[in-house]
Amino acid sequence: EVQLVESGGGLVQPGGSLRLSCAASEFTFSNYWMTWVRQAPGKGLEWVANINQGGNNKRYAVSVRGRFAISRDNAKNSLTLQMNSLRAEDTALYYCVRVAFEDEGMDVWGQGTTVIVSS
Amino acid sequence: QSVLTQPPSVSAAPGQKVTISCSGSSSNIGNYYVSWYQHLPGTTPKLLIHDNDERFSGIPDRFSGSKSSTSATLAITGLQTGDEADYYCVTWDRSLNAGVFGTGTKVTVL
Repeated sequence: EVQLVESGGGLVQPGGSLRLSCAASEFTFSNYWMTWVRQAPGKGLEWVANINQGGNNKRYAVSVRGRFAISRDNAKNSLTLQMNSLRAEDTALYYCVRVAFEDEGMDVWGQGTTVIVSS
Repeated sequence: QSVLTQPPSVSAAPGQKVTISCSGSSSNIGNYYVSWYQHLPGTTPKLLIHDNDERFSGIPDRFSGSKSSTSATLAITGLQTGDEADYYCVTWDRSLNAGVFGTGTKVTVL
C-alpha cells in the first residue's frame, strides 16, 4: 500500500527549531514532487512548501519563507522539513503529501504530525 | 486571507445538489489547474477532482468539477449524510510562487 508516515512533531518553545520527517513506501518516491501542508487548530488547510523530484527546485509559502527548509533524500525515500525560528502561529498538524497531478493535485496524504509552539 | 475565496458554508437536503465556488484571479485559477479536496474531521484530506474536472480514482460521479476564467466550481449531486465535510480548492499562484488553498467550505446535509 502506498504510504507516507510523518514523524518529528512535538512541543517547542517560540524561536526554537524542529525537524519533521516523512517516510515514503510502496511507490517510486523519486518520480514525484512532494509537498508539506498544515492545518492550525480551528483553521483551514495551508500549503507550506514543495520540492521537485531531484530536490533542486523548492518553493515556500510567504508565511514560512526564510525560516523553513524542505529537502529530500531519494535514496532513503524520505522528505524533511526543517523548521527554524518557530512562532506560535506555526502550531499545526503537518501533513506530508504526494503530488501526482498538475499544479498541486495531491493524491496521497500522510496522517500528519503535530507541532506545538508554546512557552 | 487566502487568494482563493470560497463560501464559508453551503447546505441542502439529502438527495439535493450543492455547488461550491472558488474565486481567484489570473495569477492563479486563470492560468493553472484546480483540484478539490474533501476533509472530514479526524481524517486526512481526500482528493476528489484534479486538473479542473477530472475525477480521481474511485470518486463517484456525484462529484464534478469545472472551471471558467478565474473561478472554479465543485458540484455534489445526490447529497448524502456522508458528504458532510469541509471542501477546499487548490491551485498554484504565480505571483506568490506558491501553492494556495481556498478558504474552505463546510457542507451540511439538512
